[in-house]
Amino acid sequence: DVKVTQSSRYLVKRTGEKVFLECVQDMDHENMFWYRQDPGLGLRLIYFSYDVKMKEKGDIPEGYSVSREKKERFSLILESASTNQTSMYLCASSYPPGQLQETQYFGPGTRLLVL
Amino acid sequence: GIQVEQSPPDLILQEGANSTLRCNFSDSVNNLQWFHQNPWGQLINLFYIPSGTKQNGRLSATTVATERYSLLYISSSQTTDSGVYFCASWDSNYQLIWGAGTKLIIKP
Repeated sequence: DVKVTQSSRYLVKRTGEKVFLECVQDMDHENMFWYRQDPGLGLRLIYFSYDVKMKEKGDIPEGYSVSREKKERFSLILESASTNQTSMYLCASSYPPGQLQETQYFGPGTRLLVL
Repeated sequence: GIQVEQSPPDLILQEGANSTLRCNFSDSVNNLQWFHQNPWGQLINLFYIPSGTKQNGRLSATTVATERYSLLYISSSQTTDSGVYFCASWDSNYQLIWGAGTKLIIKP
C-alpha cells in the first residue's frame, strides 16, 4: 500500500516562529503536493514539486516556502508563522499525469494552530 | 480553466438509506476522480473514473464525459460513510482542480 506520512498530526506554534512540516512518501512518486484546507474553502494548493529540487507555486504560496532535497521527502516551511496560517495541512504524492494510477495519495494531515 | 461544482453541499441521511452525489465540470475532462475525507481528515481516493461506471462494494460511480457530469452512488449507507466527498480533475498544468465537496452525515 502507498504510504504518505506527515511529521505531526497536531502542532501548536506562536506567531513569528519558523515552522517545518515534513512529508515522506514510500511509492517513489515524482510529484508531491502541499495543500491547506479551511472550512468553506476546500483544498487549496500551496506548492507542488514534480522532481527533486523542483518546485512550482500553487494558488496560495504567499507566506510559505518548500524544499525537496530527496525524492521521497517534501517539506513545507512557514518562515514566520501568523495566525491566519492556522489550518489543516495536507501532503499528497502521485505519479505524473499520463501514467497509470493517476490519483493523489494523501497523508493524514497536520492541524496547525498558530497563537 | 476547468471548474468543478458539487451538489448537494450537505446531506443528512439515516443509516441504510441510499444517496447520490453529483459533480459537474465546466470543460471536457478525461480524468475525473472521487475522494472521501473521513471525520479525522484522512483523504482517500475512491474512484478514478474518466468515463463509464465502476463499482466497489456499496459504492459506485458513473461519469458521462460528453455531458460533463459524474455521479457517486452510496447504497445502504453506514455511519462510517460519513465525511466529505470530493470530486477532482487534473488540469492542463498537472494540478488537481477540486470541487467544494459534499458533506455527508449518516445518522444511526
